[in-house]
Amino acid sequence: QSALTQPPSASGSPGQSVTISCTGTSSDIGTYNYVSWYQQHPGKAPKLLIYEVTKRPSGVPDRFSASKSGNTASLTVSGLQTEDDADYYCSSYAGNNKLLFGGGTKLTVL
Amino acid sequence: EVQLVESGGGLVQPGGSLRLSCEASGFIFTNDRMHWIRQAPGKGLVWVSHIDKYGSDTTYADSVKGRFTISRDNAKNMVYLQMNSLSAEDTAVYYCTRVSVAAANSWGQGTLVIVSS
Repeated sequence: QSALTQPPSASGSPGQSVTISCTGTSSDIGTYNYVSWYQQHPGKAPKLLIYEVTKRPSGVPDRFSASKSGNTASLTVSGLQTEDDADYYCSSYAGNNKLLFGGGTKLTVL
Repeated sequence: EVQLVESGGGLVQPGGSLRLSCEASGFIFTNDRMHWIRQAPGKGLVWVSHIDKYGSDTTYADSVKGRFTISRDNAKNMVYLQMNSLSAEDTAVYYCTRVSVAAANSWGQGTLVIVSS
């Protein structure tokens, strides 16, 4: 299976909102409500931001929200802050206990 | 506090083998599926392998099937990844993760594997 498709980069100014898309197929995002989003700062392990399409783990600010429509999922970061400058990855369940990741999006807070 | 601590990475020659270990603590280990996820230098995340909570069901990415073997020891709260026939394409940081509802909610710090002559 091919990786999910994410834009390589995105940017926004502090206080603005930015949305990152993640496109899969009817075999992954389109079938399962198991889309996750991760944030990764340089040299650090990824951190779970969103699971089951829209749910936030305890401690994740509500500035992070997500949705899904058809084969495409989206992550929106509202009220951008400098610490949001990081790489973001989407992931989907792909059946048979397999996970599929996107190529990652580098978010730059200008 | 949930902790996952990987070890066993290092420099290995092409065609060689390496065994990664992951020690889990801070949660009921036997309740969770565990996965290995890797990240080549400067690249994205790639799922590698899964093992169920009993250790009886395993799954692998096509790129490692037949070369890698995942296992666990529930008595020791450990997960392992035996990697054989390594090639340069396997060079990456390998993360041990705890997965629930197809989301990796806990990650180790990663262990770096470099395959080079």
